[in-house]
Amino acid sequence: AQSVTQPDIHITVSEGASLELRCNYSYGATPYLFWYVQSPGQGLQLLLKYFSGDTLVQGIKGFEAEFKRSQSSFNLRKPSVHWSDAAEYFCAVISNFGNEKLTFGTGTRLTIIP
Amino acid sequence: DSGVTQTPKHLITATGQRVTLRCSPRSGDLSVYWYQQSLDQGLQFLIQYYNGEERAKGNILERFSAQQFPDLHSELNLSSLELGDSALYFCASSRTGVSYNEQFFGPGTRLTVL
Repeated sequence: AQSVTQPDIHITVSEGASLELRCNYSYGATPYLFWYVQSPGQGLQLLLKYFSGDTLVQGIKGFEAEFKRSQSSFNLRKPSVHWSDAAEYFCAVISNFGNEKLTFGTGTRLTIIP
Repeated sequence: DSGVTQTPKHLITATGQRVTLRCSPRSGDLSVYWYQQSLDQGLQFLIQYYNGEERAKGNILERFSAQQFPDLHSELNLSSLELGDSALYFCASSRTGVSYNEQFFGPGTRLTVL
């Protein structure tokens, strides 16, 4: 069965510092990969997605992610975080084509300190 | 604002009761998805409807049911409620029936079962 792991439950970074959130997936073939953000009291918003092609994908709000097949990873990065980036971030995967449901990781809560 | 609306925003009820959660998708979107977010289970896909028909099923309990109406709004019915059903229930919509199309999430309905 497909699965996605976010090993970091909570990350704290200083405003202006760089950020990397980790995501590992488990599936034999290349899945469809997504990063969503959930701000407090809000629904989820898609940051970026990877289906195929260039392994470095750009998203909204200055985020990017890199697909690394050899490491089964799809880590999210941002060069300089802003206080408004404080939120919960979810990695998700679709890989069971024919029963295409989004499977979410457990999420990483990001706290920004001034 | 994603364009997906959910009502009510909060719902408090007792064990054994039945509730109905409502979702209106973005204009033009034909698919509606329901998700449950709880502390112990994380974010889980429940069910998808496309243009009035059930399209995919996830970890939805038999006590739960959903439907999508001709005007494309959807309702999630939860019956014989248990304490463990307390969660945030999200609705999402997408333009077509394939779940790897971008899903737009509503703000959620917070259900508390006492």
